[in-house]
Amino acid sequence: DAKTTQPNSMESNEEEPVHLPCNHSTISGTDYIHWYRQLPSQGPEYVIHGLTSNVNNRMASLAIAEDRKSSTLILHRATLRDAAVYYCTGRVGNTPLVFGKGTRLSVIA
Amino acid sequence: GAGVSQSPSNKVTEKGKDVELRCDPISGHTALYWYRQSLGQGLEFLIYFQGNSAPDKSGLPSDRFSAERTGGSVSTLTIQRTQQEDSAVYLCASSLAPSYTGELFFGEGSRLTVL
Repeated sequence: DAKTTQPNSMESNEEEPVHLPCNHSTISGTDYIHWYRQLPSQGPEYVIHGLTSNVNNRMASLAIAEDRKSSTLILHRATLRDAAVYYCTGRVGNTPLVFGKGTRLSVIA
Repeated sequence: GAGVSQSPSNKVTEKGKDVELRCDPISGHTALYWYRQSLGQGLEFLIYFQGNSAPDKSGLPSDRFSAERTGGSVSTLTIQRTQQEDSAVYLCASSLAPSYTGELFFGEGSRLTVL
């Protein structure tokens, strides 16, 4: 099972880097770790996903622990538009992505 | 645009009435997913389709909930005899490949309010 644990909320100053942690100690060896975010009054949007190696894209970086029991989503320079709920998620058995309550990120100008 | 389209965006209904929520996925996406998000909560998985078949119906909360997909495209989520606890935002998503290997694209959701 890819049951995930995330802090309920985090705060960051604008233009500062943000590290959003996620524990997924029961993830299977072949399941990807996915991150989505949900802006107010919108559906979730994909951020990034990875399996074992660290991943980078235009939105963020994903650092995956060597034992794959945890990962960290890194926003290199937080902006006000990055204020959202961030979900770390994975497959649970044969059930598609299971989302918890996520981390609510506040960005302070 | 060519994103996932859901309708209606808002629906207010009386307790006991039936409602239908529609999802139009991105063209060519074979997988389609329904989630529910109650106020202040995370996303609750309901059902997913691969083509027209639903391999996993375990997330449907009760037998009042059903979903179908026809022609490998549009899907309808039906809630019969609605209850107040059914009030939530119902989100649809689609993907090219099964979700655990690729990206899900979500619609804006259908907000259901049961009075």
